[in-house]
Amino acid sequence: NAGVTQTPKFRVLKTGQSMTLLCAQDMNHEYMYWYRQDPGMGLRLIHYSVGEGTTAKGEVPDGYNVSRLKKQNFLLGLESAAPSQTSVYFCASSRMDTEAFFGQGTRLTVV
Amino acid sequence: EDQVTQSPEALRLQEGESSSLNCSYTVSGLRGLFWYRQDPGKGPEFLFTLYSAGEEKEKERLKATLTKKESFLHITAPKPEDSATYLCAVRGSSNTGKLIFGQGTTLQVKP
Repeated sequence: NAGVTQTPKFRVLKTGQSMTLLCAQDMNHEYMYWYRQDPGMGLRLIHYSVGEGTTAKGEVPDGYNVSRLKKQNFLLGLESAAPSQTSVYFCASSRMDTEAFFGQGTRLTVV
Repeated sequence: EDQVTQSPEALRLQEGESSSLNCSYTVSGLRGLFWYRQDPGKGPEFLFTLYSAGEEKEKERLKATLTKKESFLHITAPKPEDSATYLCAVRGSSNTGKLIFGQGTTLQVKP
C-alpha cells in the first residue's frame, strides 16, 4: 500500500510558468485536500474535495485551481506561478470524519 | 468560521520534564479534533482523534484530552526523540469535509 503519493517531490519554476501537482491515493478515500506550509504558519488549506467531481475552496485558494476527475486523484494547478507561491505543498486524504493521511510533500520554488 | 489556535508556538523542555500543549478551537458542530506530529522535511503523522468533550486518548508518553473549547496534548517524561512540531486540526459540520489546522507547536527536548 503506497498510501498518498505526490508528484513531483521538487520543482523550480520561473515566474509566470504553469504547472500541475498530482496527488494519488490508493485507500479509496472520499475526501482529499491540498495544503501549503510556510515557515511559522502551520498548514493552510488551499482547496479540498468531498468526492469525485466535486471541489471546494479552502482558506487560501487564490492563484490555484483543482480538479478531481477520478476518485483516487486530486490535481493542483498553478496557471501563472508567482514568487509568493514558493512553499511546501502537502496532499492528504481521508474517509468521512476520520483522520487524514498525508503525502511526503512537494517543495516548490518560484524564481 | 472554523478557527484553531495553538500555544505556545515553541517549547523547550529538559528530558523528563512533563508539560502540555494547548489547542483552542472555534467550530460549529465538532466532527473531530485531530493531533499530528511532524518531523522536519516530512508530512504530518497522525496521532489521535477526539470526537466529544471528556474524551481522552493515550499513546506511550502522549495523552490527548478534549473539552468544548480546547484540547491538550500532555507529554509525560519526554525524551529527545519526542522533539517535533505538533499540529492540531478540526473538522466541523458547517462546511462538510473541511479540515483546518492550527499553526503548530515546535517542541524541543534536550537530553
